[in-house]
Amino acid sequence: EDKVVQSPLSLVVHEGDTVTLNCSYEVTNFRSLLWYKQEKKAPTFLFMLTSSGIEKKSGRLSSILDKKELSSILNITATQTGDSAIYLCAVSRDDKIIFGKGTRLHILP
Amino acid sequence: NAGVMQNPRHLVRRRGQEARLRCSPMKGHSHVYWYRQLPEEGLKFMVYLQKENIIDESGMPKERFSAEFPKEGPSILRIQQVVRGDSAAYFCASSHDIKARETQYFGPGTRLLVL
Repeated sequence: EDKVVQSPLSLVVHEGDTVTLNCSYEVTNFRSLLWYKQEKKAPTFLFMLTSSGIEKKSGRLSSILDKKELSSILNITATQTGDSAIYLCAVSRDDKIIFGKGTRLHILP
Repeated sequence: NAGVMQNPRHLVRRRGQEARLRCSPMKGHSHVYWYRQLPEEGLKFMVYLQKENIIDESGMPKERFSAEFPKEGPSILRIQQVVRGDSAAYFCASSHDIKARETQYFGPGTRLLVL
């Protein structure tokens, strides 16, 4: 059965710290890997990764895909309290998108 | 607001009642996806619809759940004879076409509470 596994499930750090969130997958007919940020409402799109080894960056956030290891990491540097959210990893296959359970990140001021 | 609209935002039902959740996709989008999110869980795919067609309902329970996306009007997710286990957040997303489904835009969700 296809699955997307995220770790850790929850993480508490202090403002200014750097965090790394992990995502591994076992999905047939892989198309792309997606990262979303979910605060108290709808998930918002962060990154789509299709090629191995190419880092995508957006401000303090960056992500990279390793197709050999079937995994991806999301890095957040110099964290701020506004980064507190659930970070969802998802894998798009030919017919649907499969989500992981998310990592709950809490940034302490 | 041209984003994905969902209503109601919160819905309370007693066991055995029906719940109707509505989703209006972004302007120009004809593909709609419904997801369910249980507490402490990720989003779970339920159904994928295009206008007047159900494309993939493999994630939807076989009984009590149905979805439609008529030619005119919003997509509707209908849950008959609700049970406590149906309590969850139901998110709708839309995309322009099948090739763009990775860039789905999500609505704010409907939080269903079954008493």
